[in-house]
Amino acid sequence: AQRVTQPEKLLSVFKGAPVELKCNYSYSGSPELFWYVQYSRQRLQLLLRHISRESIKGFTADLNKGETSFHLKKPFAQEEDSAMYYCALRDRSGTYKYIFGTGTRLKVLA
Amino acid sequence: GEEVAQTPKHLVRGEGQKAKLYCAPIKGHSYVFWYQQVLKNEFKFLISFQNENVFDETGMPKERFSAKCLPNSPCSLEIQATKLEDSAVYFCASSQLKGGELFFGEGSRLTVL
Repeated sequence: AQRVTQPEKLLSVFKGAPVELKCNYSYSGSPELFWYVQYSRQRLQLLLRHISRESIKGFTADLNKGETSFHLKKPFAQEEDSAMYYCALRDRSGTYKYIFGTGTRLKVLA
Repeated sequence: GEEVAQTPKHLVRGEGQKAKLYCAPIKGHSYVFWYQQVLKNEFKFLISFQNENVFDETGMPKERFSAKCLPNSPCSLEIQATKLEDSAVYFCASSQLKGGELFFGEGSRLTVL
C-alpha cells in the first residue's frame, strides 16, 4: 500500500542548530516526493520537490530509494522556520493524487 | 483569481443536516483536488477533477458525499445527512497541469454537532 510516514509529531530545536525532519514512504514504483509547509495562519504551500534537487530557504531533501526515505534537512535552523511540515508522495500510476504524511510541527526556539 | 478560494471558512451543522462547501480554483487551473483533514492528522484524499470531469474518486465515501465542478461555477463538495465523524477541515487544491504543483485553499472547517 502507498503510505507516507512522518514519525515525529513535534520537533523542537534551538536557533542555529541543525534540523532533520524524517519522512519514509512505501510505494511500488518510481515515486515522486515533495515537502509542503504551512506557516502560522498561512496556506499549505510547496517547499521543495525531489526532482528539482534544489535548496529552498536553506532546506534540502534527498531521495534515498534504498531506505525509502526523503528526510528534510537544514544545517542552521531559524525562528522563521517554525511551521508544520508535510511530506507527500505523488501517485504516478495515472491519477496523480498526492498522499500526505501526518505532518511534523517544527518549533525553533530562540 | 490568483488564489484558491474556499467558502465558507466555518460551517456548523447538526447531525443529519446537509453541508455544502465551495472551492474556486485558480483561473486557468484544470485540476481540482479535495482533501479531508480530521483533527490535524493526515490529509485524506477524497476526489479530483479534470475540468468538470471526475478524474479520481477513489477516496470518496460511497454514501452521503458528492462533488461537482461545473463550468463557470465554483466546485462544490456536498455531504448529505452529516455525521459526527464528518467534522474536519476540508481542503481544496488546484493545479495547472496533471501532476503539477498543488495550490491549496485555506480550508473549510465543518463542525457537526
